[in-house]
Amino acid sequence: DTGVSQDPRHKITKRGQNVTFRCDPISEHNRLYWYRQTLGQGPEFLTYFQNEAQLEKSRLLSDRFSAERPKGSFSTLEIQRTEQGDSAMYLCASSLQEGYTFGSGTRLTVV
Amino acid sequence: GESVGLHLPTLSVQEGDNSIINCAYSNSASDYFIWYKQESGKGPQFIIDIRSNMDKRQGQRVTVLLNKTVKHLSLQIAATQPGDSAVYFCAESRSGNTPLVFGKGTRLSVIA
Repeated sequence: DTGVSQDPRHKITKRGQNVTFRCDPISEHNRLYWYRQTLGQGPEFLTYFQNEAQLEKSRLLSDRFSAERPKGSFSTLEIQRTEQGDSAMYLCASSLQEGYTFGSGTRLTVV
Repeated sequence: GESVGLHLPTLSVQEGDNSIINCAYSNSASDYFIWYKQESGKGPQFIIDIRSNMDKRQGQRVTVLLNKTVKHLSLQIAATQPGDSAVYFCAESRSGNTPLVFGKGTRLSVIA
C-alpha cells in the first residue's frame, strides 16, 4: 500500500492522559498536513510541514498539541492532558503540490 | 447555504439521475478549488480540482463549475450510482501555498 498510513485507527483514552498518533505519508511527498474533523463538519486545519520544517500552525492548535516531522518523512501528533473536547477524527494528508492524499484517520475518544 | 452543526445538508437522488452539489466559498483570493468525497470511516478522497483561470473542468462522470463572480463552486455527477453515496466537501486555497480550507459538506444519498 503506497497511500498515507495512520496509526492507530482508533484510540480511547481517559481524560488527562497523553496520546500520540503517527502518520506515514506517501514517500515522495514533501508536504504533510494534520487536520481534525468532528462529526458533521469538514476537516479543520491544524498544522503542516514542508520536509522537516513546520511552516504553519492553526490557532486551533493549543499548547497541549505538538507535532513533529523529525526526518522529513513520518510525523507524530501528540496531545497532552487530553480533554473530552479533543474527541475527533485526526486526519493526516500529504502532497507534492496542491492535491492532498488523505489517510484514513485516527479516531480519538476521550472518556 | 450550508448548515452549521451536526446536520449536514442532504441531497437525495434516484440512481441514474444527475446530481449537482453546490458550495459557496468565502475567500476571493482563493485560486485553487478541489472536491473530495468521504465515505463513512474513511479519509477524504480526491475527486476533481480546478484553478481560478478556468470555469469548467471535466473528469470521468464528474464536472466542476466555478463562478468567481459569485464565489460559487458546483460538482456535477452524471448517472449517479449507489457507490456515489457519501459526504462531499469542497475546499479552497491560495496558489497552493496555503493549506486547504474545507466547507462543511453535503451528504449525497442515492436511492436505488
